[in-house]
Amino acid sequence: DSGVTQTPKHLITATGQRVTLRCSPRSGDLSVYWYQQSLDQGLQFLIHYYNGEERAKGNILERFSAQQFPDLHSELNLSSLELGDSALYFCASSVVAGPGTDTQYFGPGTRLTVL
Amino acid sequence: AQSVTQLDSQVPVFEEAPVELRCNYSSSVSVYLFWYVQYPNQGLQLLLKYLSGSTLVKGINGFEAEFNKSQTSFHLRKPSVHISDTAEYFCAAARGGATNKLIFGTGTLLAVQP
Repeated sequence: DSGVTQTPKHLITATGQRVTLRCSPRSGDLSVYWYQQSLDQGLQFLIHYYNGEERAKGNILERFSAQQFPDLHSELNLSSLELGDSALYFCASSVVAGPGTDTQYFGPGTRLTVL
Repeated sequence: AQSVTQLDSQVPVFEEAPVELRCNYSSSVSVYLFWYVQYPNQGLQLLLKYLSGSTLVKGINGFEAEFNKSQTSFHLRKPSVHISDTAEYFCAAARGGATNKLIFGTGTLLAVQP
């Protein structure tokens, strides 16, 4: 158990809908990262938040957005869902966002299926 | 652009045999390198990491990796595998700086056969 929790574990929805994925980082971790794992794209970085502020964006679609709240949990919002958004979404947390000396710990993931 | 290459999509090996999973990275600056393992229907678990110092890094479950700057490689090795090592293994690199986003390789499925 990494200490990172993600809810829900599974999510099945229809095209055009909107969903929210939730992540609670390990106690004391200030950074939250979101990754998408799909069969065709592999594991890709989406977005990084540090202590409530966005630090970096990766291959995140404009239909997707995220935020990190004062209690440091984070939510990833996916809207106007398409079939291709079906994937495993991972959240990871780390203590800081410094010069690479901290380790990212991954949650169990949320499996999103868009029908 | 920084990238991570795992040339082998699948590596079949017999139980108790040694194994090496290959990883090459491209970068013009210092990188931080990681190996993660993903068991079926589970999240990613850190096996080991290289940040600086000794180029031979030991991790959990008897795995080790060697950082080779001249060959830009970070291959993962285990002298004797078990059936329970069957999983997907991901090599990843982080650049550091304002963000430590991980760039992952495409993964290697280690299939251990009895």
